[in-house]
Order: sequence, then C-alpha cells, then structure tokens
Amino acid sequence: SQTIHQWPATLVQPVGSPLSLECTVEGTSNPNLYWYRQAAGRGLQLLFYSVGIGQISSEVPQNLSASRPQDRQFILSSKKLLLSDSGFYLCAWRTSTDTQYFGPGTRLTVL
Amino acid sequence: KQEVTQIPAALSVPEGENLVLNCSFTDSAIYNLQWFRQDPGKGLTSLLLIQSSQREQTSGRLNASLDKSSGRSTLYIAASQPGDSATYLCAVDDDYKLSFGAGTTVTVRA
Repeated sequence: SQTIHQWPATLVQPVGSPLSLECTVEGTSNPNLYWYRQAAGRGLQLLFYSVGIGQISSEVPQNLSASRPQDRQFILSSKKLLLSDSGFYLCAWRTSTDTQYFGPGTRLTVL
Repeated sequence: KQEVTQIPAALSVPEGENLVLNCSFTDSAIYNLQWFRQDPGKGLTSLLLIQSSQREQTSGRLNASLDKSSGRSTLYIAASQPGDSATYLCAVDDDYKLSFGAGTTVTVRA
C-alpha cells in the first residue's frame, strides 16, 4: 500500500532562518506531488506541484521554493523565513484515479 | 480563477441527526470534486471523489452529489455519531490541481 511521510512534524524557527521540509512517498512510482499550506483560519493553498523529477510548478509567488531530487521525494525550502510563513504544511500525491492522499503535515511556527 | 465556498462554516447537531454540508464552485469546467475530512492538527483524509461525469457517490453512511451545471455539491452524512466531529473540506479539481473551500466544522453532541 502507498504511504506518505513528512518530517519534521513540528518546527519552530526564528525569522530570517532557512527552512527545509521533506516529503517522501512509498509504494508508487512517478507520482504527481503537491505542497499545500494551511494558515490559521484559512483554507488550503496550493504552493507547488510536480509531475516528475526536476519538474516544479509554482502557484503562488513568495519566498518559498520546492525541489524534487528523486522520484518519490519532494522538498520545500526557504532561504529566509518570514512571520507570514507560519502555518501547517501538507504534502500530497495523486493516484491514477485522481484521488489525492495527504501526509500528516508539518506545523511551522516562525517567531 | 476557481472559487470554492462552503456553507455553513460550522454546524452542531445531536447524535443521530443527518448532516447536510454544502459546497459551491464558480467554474463548472472541472475534472472531479473531492470531499475530505480533517481532524484537529492532522492531515486530510479522502472521503469521496465524484468524477465530472457522475451525479453522486456513496460510501457507507456518506453520500455526495454533484450538479456540475449549477456548480454545487452536497455531502450527506446519515445518522451522525460523535466520531463524525471534524472539519469537512470540499475541493474542486481543474487542470489536476485542487482548489479548496474553507471547510465546515461539524460537532456531533452525544
């Protein structure tokens, strides 16, 4: 069966520090992968998606970036965090039947 | 740009009552519509997916309908239980990307 992992589960970082969140998927190959952010009191916002290694599409211009160095690995990064980057970050993958499955999420607090 | 709205924002019902959650979207050119459940501090759990060519999907006590022409979907939960308490999110898939509503937070009172 397919499983999606995210780490860390929680993170507290100072403003201006770098960020690296990792997502890996097991049990499937060449998945479409997605990064979403859920800010307090707001809906989910699609940040990036990837249809293959090295292929990244950005949905919202901001100080975040994404990379896909391996088929089942998706990384979200920032060089300098802002207060507004705080939120719940979710990774998801899309099956061949179009269902999206989500990981457990990373709670990021920027102080 | 697709806009997804969910009404009501919150709902509190006694155990055993049926739940009706509404979702509307502005652009009817969609591939599918999905309903998710989110427990506090957790990721999303997929409940039902309705393809654009379908009118409804059922899974156990859950039934979701889709009227693409009017831009509406409804999630019905029969005989609600306290374990159904969660936030329910509607998401519309157009061009292989999901646009989410803000969700309906459901509380089922024992």
